[in-house]
Amino acid sequence: DSGVTQTPKHLITATGQRVTLRCSPRSGDLSVYWYQQSLDQGLQFLIQYYNGEERAKGNILERFSAQQFPDLHSELNLSSLELGDSALYFCASSVARTGDLYEQFFGPGTRLTVL
Amino acid sequence: QQQVKQSPQSLIVQKGGISIINCAYENTAFDYFPWYQQFPGKGPALLIAIRPDVSEKKEGRFTISFNKSAKQFSLHIMDSQPGDSATYFCAASDYTGFQKLVFGTGTRLLVSP
Repeated sequence: DSGVTQTPKHLITATGQRVTLRCSPRSGDLSVYWYQQSLDQGLQFLIQYYNGEERAKGNILERFSAQQFPDLHSELNLSSLELGDSALYFCASSVARTGDLYEQFFGPGTRLTVL
Repeated sequence: QQQVKQSPQSLIVQKGGISIINCAYENTAFDYFPWYQQFPGKGPALLIAIRPDVSEKKEGRFTISFNKSAKQFSLHIMDSQPGDSATYFCAASDYTGFQKLVFGTGTRLLVSP
């Protein structure tokens, strides 16, 4: 158990809908990262937050957004869902500050199925 | 420039054998190279990582070999065990990228008893 929790574990929804994925980092970790894992794209970095502020963006669609709250939990919002958004979404956390390299601990993931 | 290429896609090794997975990168700014292990239904877990100032790092049965001039690195699993059967991902990141990881495509390893 990495100490990172994600809810829900599974999510089934329809095209055009909006969903929210939730992540609680390990106690003491200030950075949260979101990754998408799909069969055709592999593991792709989406976005990073550090202590409530967005720090880095990857291949995140404009239909997707995220935020990190004062208690450091994070939410990933996916809207106008398409079939191709079906994937595993992982949250990871680390102590990391700018320029430091710390291990990223991954949560168990949320499996999103868009029908 | 951001790609990390990983091979093979799948690998079958007999118990006790050596498993070797290779990765190559293009971005010379990368300076942190971790390997992650993922079991079905679980998130990736860090196995071992290396910085480019060393050519090899060993932790138990797992060794990373790093060739900076060739921009390649590899994972060697000695005395492979059935419990090592999992998907392995190499990754890379750089200091300037706030540690966002660029992952390889993964290698599915099966260790036969």
